[in-house]
Amino acid sequence: GQQLNQSPQSMFIQEGEDVSMNCTSSSIFNTWLWYKQEPGEGPVLLIALYKAGELTSNGRLTAQFGITRKDSFLNISASIPSDVGIYFCAGRNTGNQFYFGTGTSLTVIP
Amino acid sequence: NAGVMQNPRHLVRRRGQEARLRCSPMKGHSHVYWYRQLPEEGLKFMVYLQKENIIDESGMPKERFSAEFPKEGPSILRIQQVVRGDSAANFCPSQWGENQPQHFGDGTRLSIL
Repeated sequence: GQQLNQSPQSMFIQEGEDVSMNCTSSSIFNTWLWYKQEPGEGPVLLIALYKAGELTSNGRLTAQFGITRKDSFLNISASIPSDVGIYFCAGRNTGNQFYFGTGTSLTVIP
Repeated sequence: NAGVMQNPRHLVRRRGQEARLRCSPMKGHSHVYWYRQLPEEGLKFMVYLQKENIIDESGMPKERFSAEFPKEGPSILRIQQVVRGDSAANFCPSQWGENQPQHFGDGTRLSIL
């Protein structure tokens, strides 16, 4: 099945730095979602975006639904050690099918 | 306010045995998806079900795998005659309705000896 192009694949950053990751697709989506997964657990929903151009925040996290509807980005400001994990993007199409990115592994160095 | 409940959390089977994975969606959710995740990899779609109906099974292997979501009770993913390559974390996020996000449980980790 289709998978989204998510980058970067991994990031190693110092505590306090900002983080940016993005997802691109060749297809248009109606919804973009961002999840975080920690070892041994399931993905947890962070942010849901429903309209092109929408910019939504959840604490230190900010995500945007690209104008073309083919991309989305997630920013994390002032990273802290508990931000460590794998972040996945997901897009939903008109057929209610979901496609997931390959994940961005984030390591925060105290 | 329970989330998606999957059991067992860990399942160990020998090659050739059957594996049954159960999934109770969030209360009020009538859409269930099954995904498989191999170590260090992303989520691979298998099947999308609504109550008593398979909506999309394009990601499900044609042989040995089946899924159901009966009117009463949990959704079941059944894998017959398991092989080593079936070792993976299996997730079944649920969805209240279309245009709503999927919500995940902690999955079932299947290990094949």
